[in-house]
Amino acid sequence: LAKTTQPISMDSYEGQEVNITCSHNNIATNDYITWYQQFPSQGPRFIIQGYKTKVTNEVASLFIPADRKSSTLSLPRVSLSDTAVYYCLVGPQGAAGNKLTFGGGTRVLVKP
Amino acid sequence: DTEVTQTPKHLVMGMTNKKSLKCEQHMGHRAMYWYKQKAKKPPELMFVYSYEKLSINESVPSRFSPECPNSSLLNLHLHALQPEDSALYLCASSQGWGQTGELFFGEGSRLTVL
Repeated sequence: LAKTTQPISMDSYEGQEVNITCSHNNIATNDYITWYQQFPSQGPRFIIQGYKTKVTNEVASLFIPADRKSSTLSLPRVSLSDTAVYYCLVGPQGAAGNKLTFGGGTRVLVKP
Repeated sequence: DTEVTQTPKHLVMGMTNKKSLKCEQHMGHRAMYWYKQKAKKPPELMFVYSYEKLSINESVPSRFSPECPNSSLLNLHLHALQPEDSALYLCASSQGWGQTGELFFGEGSRLTVL
């Protein structure tokens, strides 16, 4: 299984863009990259998933370079409510019951 | 319905008690998961059920016993727990083969073992 490495924490201010990079040097050919957001005492919530290049949805963008050994989650114009822990997961898509293991996560604090 | 429902939200039990955590989803998902999360740590995978069969057991002690009565329900039976087992227990589900693999989590059951 590909192991992931993320910064432990990041601080930002309201209205700024936050970029969180995840390293996954031994990612496999059939692995996808998925990001989750977790607020205290709640279950993680899916943000975005991608395989290569760039993926964008209404809340975030995911940038994946050609070698796929890292990925960057971009949160545009953050607000106080974006303060949370963000997890990067790497694993195969398309199989039920995958061994989806969380890495350490990045604690993002958005300040006024 | 895109929810995973976990009950109870809070549970306090003694080390000699037997209790159960319950999880339910009505999204037609064929994989269900139990994770354990300690404070300020990432969720740790415990068990995975795929098409109602236990497919992954991450070397979890036998005092935790999972059960999947049908495709919508997942239980975690607890017996003779230790205080260090106190944690947030998260249930999740995902679609079956050929799908995105996105995990849908419940709000968790906060367990305190005295």
